[in-house]
Formats: sequence, structure tokens, C-alpha cells
Amino acid sequence: GAVVSQHPSWVICKSGTSVKIECRSLDFQATTMFWYRQFPKQSLMLMATSNEGSKATYEQGVEKDKFLINHASLTLSTLTVTSAHPEDSSFYICSASRVRGEETQYFGPGTRLLVL
Amino acid sequence: DAKTTQPPSMDCAEGRAANLPCNHSTISGNEYVYWYRQIHSQGPQYIIHGLKNNETNEMASLIITEDRKSSTLILPHATLRDTAVYYCIVRLTGTASKLTFGTGTRLQVTL
Repeated sequence: GAVVSQHPSWVICKSGTSVKIECRSLDFQATTMFWYRQFPKQSLMLMATSNEGSKATYEQGVEKDKFLINHASLTLSTLTVTSAHPEDSSFYICSASRVRGEETQYFGPGTRLLVL
Repeated sequence: DAKTTQPPSMDCAEGRAANLPCNHSTISGNEYVYWYRQIHSQGPQYIIHGLKNNETNEMASLIITEDRKSSTLILPHATLRDTAVYYCIVRLTGTASKLTFGTGTRLQVTL
């Protein structure tokens, strides 16, 4: 149990385009989902916290208009990188916490984004 | 959230126990100790967590000192597949509670 998937696993896009990444909890309902970013040889950095049906809470320094987060259901959250630029190239990882009871965060496999 | 301190790297021979230490001297009473690991180019994998008592599951054991200021993750019989970066994180309770990742310990399991 507690499987989180991400799609796509990797994406290459041209500068200026928008990219949508999906995060799904496959066998549980997730009250809260988190989005992280990881640059090469660095640790994970939390970008935002999203709760189903409400606006996401962004960490300091993360542009909410550039990284659009939608958490439309208890099993799906999406991150859209708008007008992507090469500096947005990174490894994007989501995690999800169960609705009730266990509060452990389970992580997806990550999405590698390369902006040319 | 309290910060943690881990050694940057450790080596372990395959088949031997890997003992990964973590200091969290400023941990508060309602913070749990969580351990995750990240194998290269993958998302972090949950290993184990605990509050006060020692914990064991199919992957590892977690030993927390009585004063809760430090803990040790034990992989009883390390294999090459256990080579990864191991993160010790202290976290408040609650589904919306954040995980703050430090630099972790890079464990290299060798033949």
C-alpha cells in the first residue's frame, strides 16, 4: 500500500512552453500533497503544500504564478511549470499524506524536467 | 522543526549491519523522528519512524535514546541495493506537517 505515481517520468521541452506534471496516490486518499524540487547534488527543497479543494501554500521564494498547483481530488495533484526556462530544469518530486490515521508522507518516483 | 546532524558519508560491507547515527538535540516532545532514503535518481523511500520507543519493521530498526536527542537507524544485513542517501528528519505530527530534508548520509555498501 501507499503507492504514489507521477507522470511523466521525464520531459524535455522548449523554453517558453508550459509543462504539467501529475501526482496520484494510487491506493489511498491524500488530504495533503507536497511538491519538492531537487537540483543535481542537492537535497530536496519543498516548493508548496496543497490541500484538496483549497489553494496551495507556497514556500518563501517560490513563485506561485510560475508554479501552478491544483489539487482537485483526494488522489490527484498537478504542478504546472508555466513559461519554463532552462533554470527550471530540475527533478520534481511529489509526496502525499493519508486522509486519516497514518501521517507518513509517501513519495512519487519523480519527474525529470529538461528545458532547452 | 528541529534540525538534525548526520555524517556526510559512511561505508559498510555487504552482509554487515549498517548503523547510521543522527543527532537531533533540539527535538521537541511532539516531534517524531523519520528516516527516508533516496536511491540515485528516484523519489525518497520511507523507512521507519518513531517518537520515543525503539521501532522495528521489515526494512530496519530505529533506536532512539532515552533523552530523544539522538537516534540510530540500523540496517541489519546491508546489501548493495541499500546504497543510497539516508535522511533523518524530525517532524511535527499532522498530515500537513512538512518534511525538511538536510544533506543526509551517503551510505556506500561494498562487496
